[in-house]
Amino acid sequence: EVQLVESGGGLVQPGRSLRLSCEASGFTFDDYAMHWVRQAPGKGLEWVSGISWHSDRIDYADSVKGRFTISRDNAKNSLYLQMTSLRAEDTALYYCAKDAKLSGGFDMMTSFDYWGLGSLVTVSS
Amino acid sequence: SYELTQAPSVSVSPGQTASITCSGDKLGQKYVSWYHQKPGQSPVLVIYQDTKRPSGIPERFSGSNSGNTATLTISGTQAMDEADYFCQAWDSSVVFGGGTKLTVL
Repeated sequence: EVQLVESGGGLVQPGRSLRLSCEASGFTFDDYAMHWVRQAPGKGLEWVSGISWHSDRIDYADSVKGRFTISRDNAKNSLYLQMTSLRAEDTALYYCAKDAKLSGGFDMMTSFDYWGLGSLVTVSS
Repeated sequence: SYELTQAPSVSVSPGQTASITCSGDKLGQKYVSWYHQKPGQSPVLVIYQDTKRPSGIPERFSGSNSGNTATLTISGTQAMDEADYFCQAWDSSVVFGGGTKLTVL
């Protein structure tokens, strides 16, 4: 059974940093790209960042580019999101999501077949 | 930046067919995925690559995509299908629609 378990969320002041983790199990982690998707309270889904199987391709939404860094450790079956210079508008539930495409990359065929329960990040003074 | 537009809400009677649309410039040239999300739960993939259903998704869910509009169709809608539905596509990066709340009444 595929499981994605996020951790690391919490309440943080504007301008500070936070690191999210996602521990994966139930599938061959390094066969797939992985992503972070967030959802602000009462709002829709927003893709944040994606990373290919061997980290050779990384991409970010414009809203977080230069502030967030995605990474993965295939030996630990883990995905990370380092968030710096946090803003109030970054407040959201952050989901770790597995790319459905077996090839390791992400592109026009990308979809998300498994999601974690999410980790809540609240940015407030 | 590329935008996907969805109606905020759609209502359907139990047993009837629900159609949820997603529009975007030349969307028919892109692959579209659909997710449903019930309150307090994580999104679930129900359609990918326009028309394909993941294992475990009921046959009453189907998808199409042509021109500027993709459509998720739920045949014989059940009360358990009441949820928010999001479309997703790719245009240089991942894009989500704003979501449609499906009410079954």
